[in-house]
Amino acid sequence: RKEVEQDPGPFNVPEGATVAFNCTYSNSASQSFFWYRQDCRKEPKLLMSVYSSGNEDGRFTAQLNRASQYISLLIRDSKLSDSATYLCVVNTLGRDDKIIFGKGTRLHILP
Amino acid sequence: EAGVAQSPRYKIIEKRQSVAFWCNPISGHATLYWYQQILGQGPKLLIQFQNNGVVDDSQLPKDRFSAERLKGVDSTLKIQPAKLEDSAVYLCASSSIGGGAGGHYNEQFFGPGTRLTVL
Repeated sequence: RKEVEQDPGPFNVPEGATVAFNCTYSNSASQSFFWYRQDCRKEPKLLMSVYSSGNEDGRFTAQLNRASQYISLLIRDSKLSDSATYLCVVNTLGRDDKIIFGKGTRLHILP
Repeated sequence: EAGVAQSPRYKIIEKRQSVAFWCNPISGHATLYWYQQILGQGPKLLIQFQNNGVVDDSQLPKDRFSAERLKGVDSTLKIQPAKLEDSAVYLCASSSIGGGAGGHYNEQFFGPGTRLTVL
């Protein structure tokens, strides 16, 4: 099993629709989780952190399921500007600190 | 606030040549990261510095890659000699708090990257 796994997509979604991505991780000791957004030929930028209680920022909702070892990102009322690659990031703290990025999920919002 | 600066933005070299990349993190950020991003993949951490000390370099191909952050501020990443498979974007990022010793990972701010093509 890969350390961090994402469906590469692409997800082709009509404008206004709701779309959800999952990201699974293999190390149960992982402690910090993030979603980053990366536009084509640009650098990644933090979209949101993922907390155990779940968190929401406008149209975006992130959830963490420790029992099943996955995090999710939900985008409601999708906009054309949401078209990007969404990267899942999993951090493991401790004696062997590790930061692992997933390969990303490509999202295309269709007009 | 100035962001993470990287140079050069683009570099084309032939295999077996050497190349160096430079990164200047956001002022005051103690943690600096170098990533390699191959087309179609997510960034892969090469090395993480906390001030001028190495926190993680487990994925750095040490036979050809080296990195330093001598004064705990800017950093250089070198490849010597380059191979075809080194063609990628090399991203530098910084954060105000890195992991280890009970710390927490804060948001990483990325530079624009250096796009390396090895012919």
